Amino acid sequence: GQQVMQIPQYQHVQEGEDFTTYCNSSTTLSNIQWYKQRPGGHPVFLIQLVKSGEVKKQKRLTFQFGEAKKNSSLHITATQTTDVGTYFCAGMNYGGSQGNLIFGKGTKLSVKP
Amino acid sequence: NAGVTQTPKFRVLKTGQSMTLLCAQDMNHEYMYWYRQDPGMGLRLIHYSVGEGTTAKGEVPDGYNVSRLKKQNFLLGLESAAPSQTSVYFCASSVFPWVTSNEQFFGPGTRLTVL
Repeated sequence: GQQVMQIPQYQHVQEGEDFTTYCNSSTTLSNIQWYKQRPGGHPVFLIQLVKSGEVKKQKRLTFQFGEAKKNSSLHITATQTTDVGTYFCAGMNYGGSQGNLIFGKGTKLSVKP
Repeated sequence: NAGVTQTPKFRVLKTGQSMTLLCAQDMNHEYMYWYRQDPGMGLRLIHYSVGEGTTAKGEVPDGYNVSRLKKQNFLLGLESAAPSQTSVYFCASSVFPWVTSNEQFFGPGTRLTVL
């Protein structure tokens, strides 16, 4: 079945350093979504990318969708302690099972002040 | 609006006991989902529903049953709990997946321990 691989599993950074997490799908996606889960919390939607090569920015966060629509990345510039949490990508197949999302296993980010 | 709510928040069961987790949403969403989250495993889909009266299996459906008698509610049942079902369970809802922005809204989760 379809798989969505996400790396790295963990990332420890010093506050102010940059952070990137990568997501790769075994199949072409119709769209990809990113979620953030704070420790002890629930996943919260960040953004959805739909178009090939799409780049979107939210303040210090930059999201990219690959040209082949099989990979994506999330880059955080100058991390802050408020960025702590686990970041998940979630891909949706073309014509997939009722439009279900396939989640990556997440990248857990810790930020040292 | 409360969004997506889940009850209970915590539960401890003994092996073989049964229980039902309740999810409710007030956003008039058609689609609802049950996930389980285990350390290092991300979110895995258990069952989902594309509308009132319909349910379907996800990636890890064994040992669980669901019902969606009302549009706003999605119930997850464990008939005979096993220690392997110790997990955090999240419910989510969304509008039709093929619209422009089909984000899933998650509930706060239920932490279940099976002894």
